[in-house]
Amino acid sequence: EAQVTQNPRYLITVTGKKLTVTCSQNMNHEYMSWYRQDPGLGLRQIYYSMNVEVTDKGDVPEGYKVSRKEKRNFPLILESPSPNQTSLYFCASSLSSGKYEQYFGPGTRLTVT
Amino acid sequence: GDSVTQMEGPVTLSEEAFLTINCTYTATGYPSLFWYVQYPGEGLQLLLKATKADDKGSNKGFEATYRKETTSFHLEKGSVQVSDSAVYFCALLYSSASKIIFGSGTRLSIRP
Repeated sequence: EAQVTQNPRYLITVTGKKLTVTCSQNMNHEYMSWYRQDPGLGLRQIYYSMNVEVTDKGDVPEGYKVSRKEKRNFPLILESPSPNQTSLYFCASSLSSGKYEQYFGPGTRLTVT
Repeated sequence: GDSVTQMEGPVTLSEEAFLTINCTYTATGYPSLFWYVQYPGEGLQLLLKATKADDKGSNKGFEATYRKETTSFHLEKGSVQVSDSAVYFCALLYSSASKIIFGSGTRLSIRP
């Protein structure tokens, strides 16, 4: 089944403790992206990747890192999480950027205390 | 800059009512337009899309027409069901762009 998977689905952590949220897709998509969803703000892009080893900042990249060493994986790294990073995070992929629709993972709800 | 504006929710309707969720956009070029739906506890799913002016996207009884003259892409359904309760996002995407721009979402609740 074609899908985007994320792990973990739920995470509660403390300020400053490094964490990684994994994202994997099995559709051989070139483009992958991370979003955060906050009430009243819709989805905002954090980082994106046009292809392996190519990543770039989105609208709200501060406090996040990403890497794209393989086509299928695009982990999101929070080196020192803070409470303002409490949010619902979505990974998405598409065949390429531009005209192709994006496929979303199920989301990761992160709480930073 | 480019943006998408949706009607504020929540929208509450009775089953079999007619649905309209308004979406307008600001764009400097000619983007593709999308409606995504998010059911409780799930990620976003593409509902329908239109890639050029006057195109009509349709799926599962929902329709939206790309209106360049009014910069709108309103979502409609003739008879809603309880299972349509979800959050709906309007979005735009340029063929040359690296990201999709989402509206803030409209929560729809359908009463039996």
